[in-house]
Amino acid sequence: GEDVEQSLFLSVREGDSSVINCTYTDSSSTYLYWYKQEPGAGLQLLTYIFSNMDMKQDQRLTVLLNKKDKHLSLRIADTQTGDSAIYFCADRTGFQKLVFGTGTRLLVSP
Amino acid sequence: AAGVIQSPRHLIKEKRETATLKCYPIPRHDTVYWYQQGPGQDPQFLISFYEKMQSDKGSIPDRFSAQQFSDYHSELNMSSLELGDSALYFCASSWQDSSNYGYTFGSGTRLTVV
Repeated sequence: GEDVEQSLFLSVREGDSSVINCTYTDSSSTYLYWYKQEPGAGLQLLTYIFSNMDMKQDQRLTVLLNKKDKHLSLRIADTQTGDSAIYFCADRTGFQKLVFGTGTRLLVSP
Repeated sequence: AAGVIQSPRHLIKEKRETATLKCYPIPRHDTVYWYQQGPGQDPQFLISFYEKMQSDKGSIPDRFSAQQFSDYHSELNMSSLELGDSALYFCASSWQDSSNYGYTFGSGTRLTVV
């Protein structure tokens, strides 16, 4: 089945850039997504990228997709303490369901 | 804008009891997905419905069943509850023809089995 992997933890200082990485195995991915989850809260869609794109920028967020290596990254510029959360990448499979990565806990220190 | 509504927000049940979780999708969304997120885990896909028919099935135990009704709301029925069923249950909805959007998730139902 599909597999989506992420590094578990990332710690940065406020004002720095954060880069969260994700690898996936599904060759038929159509869209890839980034979700943010704060403690005890729901899943907030941050951004998405179509599989025929290699980059998408949305304000402080930049998504890079290397389809050959099946590698996705999310860069957050000027990271703020309010960005501290768990970030999930998700792969949209042929049957429309989302397969989530293991989640990366981002900790932003002042 | 209307979002995905889930009820109840919190639910406490004893082992072997039954629970029913409800999901009201965004108006005009025709597909509903259910996910289970255990403590410290990533969301795991359980089941989905498109136009009131089951469209895909994931790691849903046989003790669980779900359906989508004529008004597109969905219910997840969980019987013979076990301690391991304690989790956050998310519902998401989407519109099959909108291929470029992420799914909209509800705030989840936190089920605690004691």
